[in-house]
Amino acid sequence: DAGVTQSPTHLIKTRGQQVTLRCSPISGHKSVSWYQQVLGQGPQFIFQYYEKEERGRGNFPDRFSARQFPNYSSELNVNALLLGDSALYLCASTSPRGQGRETQYFGPGTRLLVL
Amino acid sequence: AQSVTQLDSQVPVFEEAPVELRCNYSSSVSVYLFWYVQYPNQGLQLLLKYLSGSTLVKGINGFEAEFNKSQTSFHLRKPSVHISDTAEYFCAVSGNTGFQKLVFGTGTRLLVSP
Repeated sequence: DAGVTQSPTHLIKTRGQQVTLRCSPISGHKSVSWYQQVLGQGPQFIFQYYEKEERGRGNFPDRFSARQFPNYSSELNVNALLLGDSALYLCASTSPRGQGRETQYFGPGTRLLVL
Repeated sequence: AQSVTQLDSQVPVFEEAPVELRCNYSSSVSVYLFWYVQYPNQGLQLLLKYLSGSTLVKGINGFEAEFNKSQTSFHLRKPSVHISDTAEYFCAVSGNTGFQKLVFGTGTRLLVSP
């Protein structure tokens, strides 16, 4: 089975622009989470979605938003980009209860560089 | 809320030597614990997880970890490392009820030299 897929793999934007990152979860997984990993640090939780509804939100400004589609894929949007938004953005899909009990499996990430 | 402390930012070790990467956590509720590995320019790969049951957990690539509730630790071990184990290792914790987000440590870079 295919793992978590993310697109694009790399992205370069300038300050003030907007960006959309995409994620497709593992087949059968209904929950998607987004994390930001700044260079040299551990990933930080941004959002979790389950069945198209937001289940949790991390400590990120309102410039960050996300949504989940009926096929369980997800988009992360970041508006008014700042230099500090440069990071690896990771998407994870969560196994259903009874199948590994809420283990998160990560995609390869999208590396965003803001100039 | 949960937090994770990885005590060592970098661990150098020679090939075929044993290694232990330390992880301590803090939580007011029962937890799930995870170790992930990240190779350069890649995403995170699950090494192993503790959900319940036996406190000694075996994972992929010969790694194992032991959950110690009294010491709030979840140290990762491997009896004999290979050059290919060179990577960043992240310990993570989540609560075990309701909505679960992963809280990660800052990572430990394992450097295996010949």
